[in-house]
Amino acid sequence: AQTVTQSQPEMSVQEAETVTLSCTYDTSESNYYLFWYKQPPSRQMILVIRQEAYKQQNATENRFSVNFQKAAKSFSLKISDSQLGDTAMYFCAFREGYSGAGSYQLTFGKGTKLSVIP
Amino acid sequence: NAGVTQTPKFRVLKTGQSMTLLCAQDMNHEYMYWYRQDPGMGLRLIHYSVGEGTTAKGEVPDGYNVSRLKKQNFLLGLESAAPSQTSVYFCASSYSTAGLGSNQPQHFGDGTRLSIL
Repeated sequence: AQTVTQSQPEMSVQEAETVTLSCTYDTSESNYYLFWYKQPPSRQMILVIRQEAYKQQNATENRFSVNFQKAAKSFSLKISDSQLGDTAMYFCAFREGYSGAGSYQLTFGKGTKLSVIP
Repeated sequence: NAGVTQTPKFRVLKTGQSMTLLCAQDMNHEYMYWYRQDPGMGLRLIHYSVGEGTTAKGEVPDGYNVSRLKKQNFLLGLESAAPSQTSVYFCASSYSTAGLGSNQPQHFGDGTRLSIL
């Protein structure tokens, strides 16, 4: 079974600074997808960014980018120019890429609570 | 842009009572999912469905039943609620994960906070 580990339960960052959230995962699969979801106090689960394991290029979405290290099974999220609205829980999630029961399930880490300080 | 809509948003039950949570999506997604979120933990999959009339067990299915009679709706039932089922429940939907849709993310509803006394 796949596992996803987020080793930082809580982090804080000054507004306009850069912060990196860590995520590691364990799998024997070669084809899979990785996601970062944001959960603000409103409780919504919002997709931040996704990465296909077969792509070597790191995904970017505006101020959000990832550092995907496939050999190390690491998938960190970098937030640049942090804003107050970035305050939220951030969850790393894994999904298998092949058809089958595993491809339906998102496996989540326990989350990192990020606070952006004015 | 409704997306994924969950009803109700909050509910308090007594131990032994039954209830049904409703999830509706308007994105014509094939797949639908029910998760629960407990303090200090990420989301865990309860049941999922890959199409109308089909359901399957996820990671933590005990104590729950589901039905998908219509493509756009996915119901989660608690037949005899227990305090251990106090949680926040999320519904999600996605396109098929096969083929070209394999990288599609899941879209989540706003959650239902359920308390069992």
